[in-house]
Amino acid sequence: DAGVTQSPTHLIKTRGQQVTLRCSPKSGHDTVSWYQQALGQGPQFIFQYYEEEERQRGNFPDRFSGHQFPNYSSELNVNALLLGDSALYLCASSPFISRQGFLGKNIQYFGAGTRLSVL
Amino acid sequence: DAKTTQPPSMDCAEGRAANLPCNHSTISGNEYVYWYRQIHSQGPQYIIHGLKNNETNEMASLIITEDRKSSTLILPHATLRDTAVYYCIVRVAQNSGGSNYKLTFGKGTLLTVNP
Repeated sequence: DAGVTQSPTHLIKTRGQQVTLRCSPKSGHDTVSWYQQALGQGPQFIFQYYEEEERQRGNFPDRFSGHQFPNYSSELNVNALLLGDSALYLCASSPFISRQGFLGKNIQYFGAGTRLSVL
Repeated sequence: DAKTTQPPSMDCAEGRAANLPCNHSTISGNEYVYWYRQIHSQGPQYIIHGLKNNETNEMASLIITEDRKSSTLILPHATLRDTAVYYCIVRVAQNSGGSNYKLTFGKGTLLTVNP
């Protein structure tokens, strides 16, 4: 059973460019969340997708957008890249809460991340 | 989500128990305590969670104080592979719409297991 997979593993872009990161959720999961992790910091929530719609959003500008496909995979797009966008981008998947059984078993499973460097 | 406080770093000898503390004095009655860890260059990994009772699984034990204002993650026999940043996260399990709540990470505790 494959876990959460992300591609590419590393990416180098220049300021002003656009980037697309991809995520395939764990088998049986239909909810995908994206996080940004700057060096030395904990991951910060960007947004979450379920049923191909953005359900929650963190404090990130509109330059960050996403998409979820019918097969539950997801993309994170960042436009007009800034130097400060350099970070590890993490994808996490989980079943929608109502499918998880008892309350509290609200576990997100993370991929290994995509390391984005903006020069 | 309630704010958590963790020491920035801890050391532990290999084979000994590692006890990682977390303060969450503003926790609400419907908030759970979750622990994740992140080994260098990997994504965070779920360890354990609990509401008010102590919990144990194959990875660790979670001890939550009776007033729920603090908790301790216990790795009973730490190995070198347990060296990682450990995150304590407090949050409600779900919102009214049933969607999966975001995880709010702090800086965590860097646990270094020494040979």
